[in-house]
Amino acid sequence: IAGITQAPTSQILAAGRRMTLRCTQDMRHNAMYWYRQDLGLGLRLIHYSNTAGTTGKGEVPDGYSVSRANTDDFPLTLASAVPSQTSVYFCASSVQAGEGGNEQFFGPGTRLTVL
Amino acid sequence: GQNIDQPTEMTATEGAIVQINCTYQTSGFNGLFWYQQHAGEAPTFLSYNVLDGLEEKGRFSSFLSRSKGYSYLLLKELQMKDSASYLCAVRDSNYQLIWGAGTKLIIKP
Repeated sequence: IAGITQAPTSQILAAGRRMTLRCTQDMRHNAMYWYRQDLGLGLRLIHYSNTAGTTGKGEVPDGYSVSRANTDDFPLTLASAVPSQTSVYFCASSVQAGEGGNEQFFGPGTRLTVL
Repeated sequence: GQNIDQPTEMTATEGAIVQINCTYQTSGFNGLFWYQQHAGEAPTFLSYNVLDGLEEKGRFSSFLSRSKGYSYLLLKELQMKDSASYLCAVRDSNYQLIWGAGTKLIIKP
């Protein structure tokens, strides 16, 4: 593994189903993030984790949950998918949260369609 | 509220120079980032500004004026591979990134 990986690459999901998007990084970054990207809108933060064992809510957390059991993995779960959750989901990580030029590195994204 | 404004789309000619502007109104300011995103791909980091002035990195430069809530990304000697979306993002008082919708740059031969 090099960098950040996400799985699946794409998924079509029936409304009401539960879905977990996986994200793994091998850079030993402390901070990780989940964004959704919709046409005409900027990236919107769903949830974040500043360090293993802690998580926080972003701008659009409703309908999503996360966990951070270890440094490398940060799965995003949709408990009961709805069509408005159709989007491209990006996982990102940075060395640490907070000050400085802590650029975020992005995974390749998961394209999710909820019907 | 928090707001990042960028032009939706710009067109430029191969070999020319283009300036992409970004204005912001955020709750606090802890740095401004520019990212490049090719269609169907992930964003990749281009530049970071936290102090006023110009940061130069090869063909790309980024400028910041905190008093005006303004930044621009300058791309010189444009190449076809520069066709992409350019995303402006500001780190707010909670140290989270607030993203603009991006500027789609089209390069013509």
